[in-house]
Amino acid sequence: KQEVTQIPAALSVPEGENLVLNCSFTDSAIYNLQWFRQDPGKGLTSLLLIQSSQREQTSGRLNASLDKSSGRSTLYIAASQPGDSATYLCAVRGYNQAGTALIFGKGTTLSVSS
Amino acid sequence: GAVVSQHPSWVICKSGTSVKIECRSLDFQATTMFWYRQFPKQSLMLMATSNEGSKATYEQGVEKDKFLINHASLTLSTLTVTSAHPEDSSFYICSPQSPSYNEQFFGPGTRLTVL
Repeated sequence: KQEVTQIPAALSVPEGENLVLNCSFTDSAIYNLQWFRQDPGKGLTSLLLIQSSQREQTSGRLNASLDKSSGRSTLYIAASQPGDSATYLCAVRGYNQAGTALIFGKGTTLSVSS
Repeated sequence: GAVVSQHPSWVICKSGTSVKIECRSLDFQATTMFWYRQFPKQSLMLMATSNEGSKATYEQGVEKDKFLINHASLTLSTLTVTSAHPEDSSFYICSPQSPSYNEQFFGPGTRLTVL
């Protein structure tokens, strides 16, 4: 059964710092990996989607990498801002009983202070 | 990204009542719909997968008779929590899958509180 782990569980940084969020998964047979942002009490916002054949994706200040063979992904946030404060969720598309579905990690809660 | 709506956005009900949550994909046809729930400070847990016109497949530990899923059309799916109890209080999120890109989109969620 696919399991997704995110480290650290929480992170506090001052504004302007570059930071890295880590995600690992147990089964390397994945279709893709996706990073999401979730604000308190809200739904999910998709940040980056990396297909299994890709190594990384970039969007603005965000860069996500994927090493499928080692079961790892990182989300790099450059020049962090207070508006980046949220919970970041990593999810992999793996097999479930009905086919494939996104399996989520528990998230990293980021707090950026001004 | 795709537009997905959920209704209601929040609901408070008494223990023992049933609650229906609707999920609509507004700009694409979703042959597959996923339902997740999220307890406070926890991650999203997959409850079930449904394909249009077929019975839903439930994840281990999820009671199919308690959480009734109907995928009536390619743009509408419903989740009914039957005889709700306080432990069913959670954030329920639907996720239709795009048939073109093997990508899931997410509704804004429904917060259920059972008194």
